[in-house]
Amino acid sequence: QVQLVQSGAELKKPGASVKVSCEPFGYTFTAYYIHWVRQAPGQGLEWMGLINPNDGGTNYAQKFQGRVTITGDTSNNTAYMELTSLRSDDTAIYYCVREGTGAFDYWGQGTLVTVSS
Amino acid sequence: QAGLTQPPSVSKGLRQTATLTCTGNSNNVGKQGAAWLQQHQGHPPKLLSYRNNNRPSGISERLSASRSGNTASLTITGLQPEDEAEYYCSAWDRGLSAWVFGGGTKLTVL
Repeated sequence: QVQLVQSGAELKKPGASVKVSCEPFGYTFTAYYIHWVRQAPGQGLEWMGLINPNDGGTNYAQKFQGRVTITGDTSNNTAYMELTSLRSDDTAIYYCVREGTGAFDYWGQGTLVTVSS
Repeated sequence: QAGLTQPPSVSKGLRQTATLTCTGNSNNVGKQGAAWLQQHQGHPPKLLSYRNNNRPSGISERLSASRSGNTASLTITGLQPEDEAEYYCSAWDRGLSAWVFGGGTKLTVL
């Protein structure tokens, strides 16, 4: 059974950084791209970027270029998303998502990141 | 980044049929088709269909997806209370080299 298990909720101050982890189970880590999608309170879905765990190749949304880094560690089959220079409008649920058959087929449970002074 | 366009809300009666739309352009929906996601309050989204009309296992046959030009559609027949949710479309945009989402449609089953 495919599952993506994410790290727990985070509370950060403006200007800080956050790093969220995502550990997939039930399939070969390097066989599928992993994406990061966020959802601000009461808002829609926003794509942040992706990683190909097989070779570490990444692609980021223009909006987040320079502030987001997505990495993958094949030694522990875990993907990470780090977002820097946090602002209050970065408060959101952050999801890791597997891309299978050209669509987002499995989602993590989400990690709430709250940015507040 | 430009996203896909969905109507904010649709309301239909129990056991009726709802059709949700998602409009993009020739770089995304018109070229690659769209996938549809359902999200209930407090839960992650769930994939309903991909590449226009393929359903993952376990997804009800009451759901069907299609595409005409730059507009994708999701039709849900025999509406049930559990169909009340937010629905999002998504597509790869080859011009932006990015994934884009619609703003979501809130489906209310009366």
